[in-house]
Amino acid sequence: GQNIDQPTEMTATEGAIVQINCTYQTSGFNGLFWYQQHAGEAPTFLSYNVLDGLEEKGRFSSFLSRSKGYSYLLLKELQMKDSASYLCAVLDSNYQLIWGAGTKLIIKP
Amino acid sequence: GAVVSQHPSWVICKSGTSVKIECRSLDFQATTMFWYRQFPKQSLMLMATSNEGSKATYEQGVEKDKFLINHASLTLSTLTVTSAHPEDSSFYICSALGGADYNEQFFGPGTRLTVL
Repeated sequence: GQNIDQPTEMTATEGAIVQINCTYQTSGFNGLFWYQQHAGEAPTFLSYNVLDGLEEKGRFSSFLSRSKGYSYLLLKELQMKDSASYLCAVLDSNYQLIWGAGTKLIIKP
Repeated sequence: GAVVSQHPSWVICKSGTSVKIECRSLDFQATTMFWYRQFPKQSLMLMATSNEGSKATYEQGVEKDKFLINHASLTLSTLTVTSAHPEDSSFYICSALGGADYNEQFFGPGTRLTVL
């Protein structure tokens, strides 16, 4: 079956760095998305990786290793507003989105 | 875990026709479902909130007469794109509110609509 795994919850300190991991087993691969979702709001697109490597976008970076079925989202210089859920989703061979359950990130002062 | 399905997963239609997309919560009841639209490599855009037994609440700029939403049961919501045009081609994703406190969103796999 198809499966996406990411931690349920993580806690980090304001100003620090946190890495949210996502491992996947899917039938085919056409890219991996990371979304940020604040409670009661629609998810916001953060990144899309389809090739191996690290993509940096300001304080956020996303890494992909297709051979390992692994991705991570790296958040630097954490701010209180980064407290949210982070969703990992993979586009499979049929261009269907397979969603992770999301990681709730709690930022403490 | 909670599962949300969508049907069809992929549809190609001619301009001017109507297309119905179904969103089902398979193992839980969902009084609230959401419909999103996604353009390539962009955020999910919330189109409307669908509540069982009542009219959907549409986001600003979304034509309710073009995107008809019906939430007839606790496990099914449908989105009908009426008189579809090529600019309606997109990825449509639904989600359902569930979980112990009904505050978790469970996303469907999406429906890719291509209008010729």
